[in-house]
Amino acid sequence: QVQLQESGPGLVKPSQTLSLACSVSGGSISSGGDYWSWLRLHPGKGLEWIGYIYSYGSTYYNPSLKSRVTISMDKSKNQFFLKLSSMTAADTAVYFCARDWKSGTGVFDIWGQGTMVTVSS
Amino acid sequence: QSALTQPASVSGSPGQSITISCTGTSSDVGSFNLVSWYQKHPGTAPKVIIYEVTKRPSGVSNRFSASKSGNTASLTISGLQAEDEADYYCCSYAGSNIHLLFGGGTKVTVL
Repeated sequence: QVQLQESGPGLVKPSQTLSLACSVSGGSISSGGDYWSWLRLHPGKGLEWIGYIYSYGSTYYNPSLKSRVTISMDKSKNQFFLKLSSMTAADTAVYFCARDWKSGTGVFDIWGQGTMVTVSS
Repeated sequence: QSALTQPASVSGSPGQSITISCTGTSSDVGSFNLVSWYQKHPGTAPKVIIYEVTKRPSGVSNRFSASKSGNTASLTISGLQAEDEADYYCCSYAGSNIHLLFGGGTKVTVL
């Protein structure tokens, strides 16, 4: 049973870079051709796809965030990561990591519990 | 690229059927049979209930069904139950440049 767990700071100052990690247990991130993803849910608004990294290393980002996003993975630690630079209040949201098991077509079958990130000085 | 359009709220009485629409464009919903639907209860992660327009993952109630016509996808919940009260989000693949779009979410209330 694959499980995901986000970790990282709950509070980030404006203009700083957010760094989150997603730890994967019960399976390997380097096998199976899955797309390991980051999404966020803004308070009172909808879900937003941030980007994903393919098991074999390719990355794909939401065009609206592409200039600020980096997603990477550490296969030895079975983790993948999100970096989002130049944070503003508009980036305040619950951040989720998730697995897309259908070739990156938006079928997220396994999710972390989510971590609230607030941008404030 | 704008998000997909969903009604903000839909309500129904127990036992009734309700339908949630998800409107996109010919570049996303209209081009690909790759629409998924998610159910989200407060404080929990989203759960996929429909994928590839009409398919239900194992374990999802058959009271959930979905379809697509043109640029609009629809989710129907039949035999509405109290446990169906949640937020519902649609998602569509939108090609290799945009990749994925989500709707703004629909709050379902069971009266």
